[in-house]
Amino acid sequence: GAGVSQSPRYKVAKRGQDVALRCDPISGHVSLFWYQQALGQGPEFLTYFQNEAQLDKSGLPSDRFFAERPEGSVSTLKIQRTQQEDSAVYLCASSLVGGGAGELFFGEGSRLTVL
Amino acid sequence: GQNIDQPTEMTATEGAIVQINCTYQTSGFNGLFWYQQHAGEAPTFLSYNVLDGLEEKGRFSSFLSRSKGYSYLLLKELQMKDSASYLCAKSGGSYIPTFGRGTSLIVHP
Repeated sequence: GAGVSQSPRYKVAKRGQDVALRCDPISGHVSLFWYQQALGQGPEFLTYFQNEAQLDKSGLPSDRFFAERPEGSVSTLKIQRTQQEDSAVYLCASSLVGGGAGELFFGEGSRLTVL
Repeated sequence: GQNIDQPTEMTATEGAIVQINCTYQTSGFNGLFWYQQHAGEAPTFLSYNVLDGLEEKGRFSSFLSRSKGYSYLLLKELQMKDSASYLCAKSGGSYIPTFGRGTSLIVHP
């Protein structure tokens, strides 16, 4: 497809389980962002990649969160030992240009529910 | 932080005009985005202002005053489908967009 694709769309995990969320950005887009969005809130920044380089991970809430983009295209956000407070929608966005100076194209998100 | 503030909720009547305000911390400013997000869907781009003034795009316009740390989104001829959350986002010193909590707009007949 032409847009940003995220999978799975919905994930239910038991507390303590590890989860992996995948993002397929628009082909050729340099920048890739991960955001976390709680119900009724705006997206909160997690991490930013420019090609394969993770330039900013200051928004990752703890060392249980890890993201990678090894070949500069597909990215995976991994959450280890999930906690109930991790329940949220995880949004991925890509942009043609470096940094956030251009339009972000968002995927529909992965909704994580931790029981 | 970026101290991005916008009203939590607004209501308006179909066919009317509504203005959604956003204020932000002026330091480290590069640009101001507006996105629309329908419930359960991805945010979609509306506008990006870098310079002061009003930019018009169909029924939607966006205004920026960099010195005041102020922007607004103006929606004209409101339609029911305009009911959504409107997100203001600042592109700061690192160019990473930081979002406000969003304004939920409810359009009623």
